[in-house]
Amino acid sequence: QKEVEQDPGPLSVPEGAIVSLNCTYSNSAFQYFMWYRQYSRKGPELLMYTYSSGNKEDGRFTAQVDKSSKYISLFIRDSQPSDSATYLCAMSANTGNQFYFGTGTSLTVIP
Amino acid sequence: DTEVTQTPKHLVMGMTNKKSLKCEQHMGHRAMYWYKQKAKKPPELMFVYSYEKLSINESVPSRFSPECPNSSLLNLHLHALQPEDSALYLCASSPAGTVLKETQYFGPGTRLLVL
Repeated sequence: QKEVEQDPGPLSVPEGAIVSLNCTYSNSAFQYFMWYRQYSRKGPELLMYTYSSGNKEDGRFTAQVDKSSKYISLFIRDSQPSDSATYLCAMSANTGNQFYFGTGTSLTVIP
Repeated sequence: DTEVTQTPKHLVMGMTNKKSLKCEQHMGHRAMYWYKQKAKKPPELMFVYSYEKLSINESVPSRFSPECPNSSLLNLHLHALQPEDSALYLCASSPAGTVLKETQYFGPGTRLLVL
């Protein structure tokens, strides 16, 4: 079983839709959870960072962590064509030296 | 200055060439990273420097040689690469040197083609 699982998509939605992106993980020691956005041929850009459980909101983006289910989500409200990118989840634990990326979900928002 | 810069943006090299990739950050971050990313795959960790010392080498072939001359600068020296080494090479940094346990900030990458 992979440490982090992420549906690669592709996901295609109309402009204005609510998008839900998800990752599951197997290591209960993970405490740090991140979402990155990566445009084609560019480096990943940090969107959201969450420590432990709970929700975090930043503009149109909301990150949720459910440690009991080992499940994290990123919601994008009022999606825009400029949100079209690959979204990578990433996570790490307090101990050890491992940092895991999901495989990324490709999102296209159609005008 | 809140960004990580990388040069060159693109690089084409032959299998016998020697070249270097450069990464800079002026955010006062104490950990710096090299990743390799193939198309439609997540980044793969190659090396980590913490407080200018190599702390992680993910069994990378010796044809890749990292160097950290100071806390703001990270180089990746390339020699005798293979075509399968063609990829996007990403540099990242993180604030406190608590390697891999905090947010990493990525540069735009160097797209490398080995002929």
